[in-house]
Amino acid sequence: GDSVTQMEGPVTLSEEAFLTINCTYTATGYPSLFWYVQYPGEGLQLLLKATKADDKGSNKGFEATYRKETTSFHLEKGSVQVSDSAVYFCALDGYSGGGADGLTFGKGTHLIIQP
Amino acid sequence: KAGVTQTPRYLIKTRGQQVTLSCSPISGHRSVSWYQQTPGQGLQFLFEYFSETQRNKGNFPGRFSGRQFSNSRSEMNVSTLELGDSALYLCAVSGGWGEQFFGPGTRLTVL
Repeated sequence: GDSVTQMEGPVTLSEEAFLTINCTYTATGYPSLFWYVQYPGEGLQLLLKATKADDKGSNKGFEATYRKETTSFHLEKGSVQVSDSAVYFCALDGYSGGGADGLTFGKGTHLIIQP
Repeated sequence: KAGVTQTPRYLIKTRGQQVTLSCSPISGHRSVSWYQQTPGQGLQFLFEYFSETQRNKGNFPGRFSGRQFSNSRSEMNVSTLELGDSALYLCAVSGGWGEQFFGPGTRLTVL
């Protein structure tokens, strides 16, 4: 079945550091890929998405490129802020355009940004 | 951006009881999905409802059930609660490209 693998952390960085959170996936077909962020005590917020190979999703300074050849969707940000501290989830939808079996999530990466 | 309201936000039950959680999409989304989030298992898909019909179900026992009403509101029921059912239960509505928009969740604690 489908699966998503990401580093679980915690990942601790200093403010203004460069961020990379790795995500690789296994899926049949052509999944859509997503990054979600979860702040303490809240639900999941969609951060960015990519629906086909070589698409780059971006939002709030975060970027991720859909790499079909390496089955990866790594999250990057050039300069992190304390407010970026949260848990980040990589996810895929095995049926592009509509989740027949829901989203498949990675375990989540806890990011801590120190001032 | 879709809005989803979940009630209650927090719930405490004891083993053997049953519980019903509610999810209300703000706009007229016909597809509603439920997920369970625990520290050990992470985020797992429970089921999806579309126009009042269950379209898919994840790998959960029959104690977990749900339904959807004609106004798209959905309820999730768990019977004979177990300690391991303690979790954050998230409801989500679907976007146009497979993405899902989540509510704030209901935190269920089973004692």
